[in-house]
Amino acid sequence: DVKVTQSSRYLVKRTGEKVFLECVQDMDHENMFWYRQDPGLGLRLIYFSYDVKMKEKGDIPEGYSVSREKKERFSLILESASTNQTSMYLCASIPGLVGETQYFGPGTRLLVL
Amino acid sequence: RKEVEQDPGPFNVPEGATVAFNCTYSNSASQSFFWYRQDCRKEPKLLMSVYSSGNEDGRFTAQLNRASQYISLLIRDSKLSDSATYLCVVNKKAAGNKLTFGGGTRVLVKP
Repeated sequence: DVKVTQSSRYLVKRTGEKVFLECVQDMDHENMFWYRQDPGLGLRLIYFSYDVKMKEKGDIPEGYSVSREKKERFSLILESASTNQTSMYLCASIPGLVGETQYFGPGTRLLVL
Repeated sequence: RKEVEQDPGPFNVPEGATVAFNCTYSNSASQSFFWYRQDCRKEPKLLMSVYSSGNEDGRFTAQLNRASQYISLLIRDSKLSDSATYLCVVNKKAAGNKLTFGGGTRVLVKP
């Protein structure tokens, strides 16, 4: 069974803080993704990575950065958290095959005050 | 226009009834299609892939209509446990492994 874990289920931060969200997968998948999910907007892709040290912007990368130093770990960084980044953040991974399904982590609910 | 559109619902369904809903996609180059299920405050999980010939998994049937660019999901003999949000997901060949998600259709099965 593929397992995707995220460092926190719930997180409360203050405006301006630097926030790190960690995601780890244990199935040696090449591709990893960070999404945010908001009511009425569905899942939106922030960043993704096809390999170690590689990253590509998704649909809404502004205000975020990522890091992939090891294959199993993909980190999302909010350099200076803002209230409009309050959201549910979901990490996903997939083997390198096109058309395969993504496996999601349990999500991190981030509240920025 | 959104790339993948779904009726947000909710669809209120009596237990034991059949419910069906569609999802439309705008890009004709879309290649792979999936239905995911998401329970409240949980992560999305794959329900089923959707194949050109249509496919069935127990009480769930998925269909793809490429000419009209939509996919459908039908749930027969609805159970209370089928209450969830159903996400339509589309992958374009040129997009590699990037998936585009619909906003989800909420289904509430009531006794």
